[in-house]
Amino acid sequence: GQSLEQPSEVTAVEGAIVQINCTYQTSGFYGLSWYQQHDGGAPTFLSYNGLDGLEETGRFSSFLSRSDSYGYLLLQELQMKDSASYFCAVDTGGFKTIFGAGTRLFVKA
Amino acid sequence: GAVVSQHPSWVICKSGTSVKIECRSLDFQATTMFWYRQFPKQSLMLMATSNEGSKATYEQGVEKDKFLINHASLTLSTLTVTSAHPEDSSFYICSARVQTGNYEQYFGPGTRLTVT
Repeated sequence: GQSLEQPSEVTAVEGAIVQINCTYQTSGFYGLSWYQQHDGGAPTFLSYNGLDGLEETGRFSSFLSRSDSYGYLLLQELQMKDSASYFCAVDTGGFKTIFGAGTRLFVKA
Repeated sequence: GAVVSQHPSWVICKSGTSVKIECRSLDFQATTMFWYRQFPKQSLMLMATSNEGSKATYEQGVEKDKFLINHASLTLSTLTVTSAHPEDSSFYICSARVQTGNYEQYFGPGTRLTVT
């Protein structure tokens, strides 16, 4: 079967750094994406890793190790507005994307 | 960035009736759109891939006769939930990719369906 594993919840304080891990087991792999979703809203794209290594976009960074079937999203200088659900997603090819169950991030003052 | 719209944003219907949800790409042409379903605090489950001018590809376990998908143009896909039941109540979200090779998906704002 195909699966993506990520923690269900993470809590951190404002200004801190938090890392959300994602391990995957899929029949195909073309890249790992991360999406943010606030309650009641639609997912928005954060980052994409097609190759091993670190991608940085402002306060957000994402890492991929294809040999370990592992990636993570790193959020720095946490703000209250970062409280949301974060989904890792694997592009398995043929335009198909499989999403993880999501990690709810709670940022406290 | 690319914009995807959905209509309606929320709908309440009676059990046994049908509901149509529209998904539009506003500033780009989308040959392929995706329909997802999301229950509260759960992940997005891909229901089907909608291809312009051809039949949709449904995921295993999704009833194609219940969830009718039509992708009549390069900017519009519709999902019709036929003979809706309370268990069909959910958040339905569509998405599209701008072009092949670009893995970013642009999501619509979602439609919250409540079947009473």
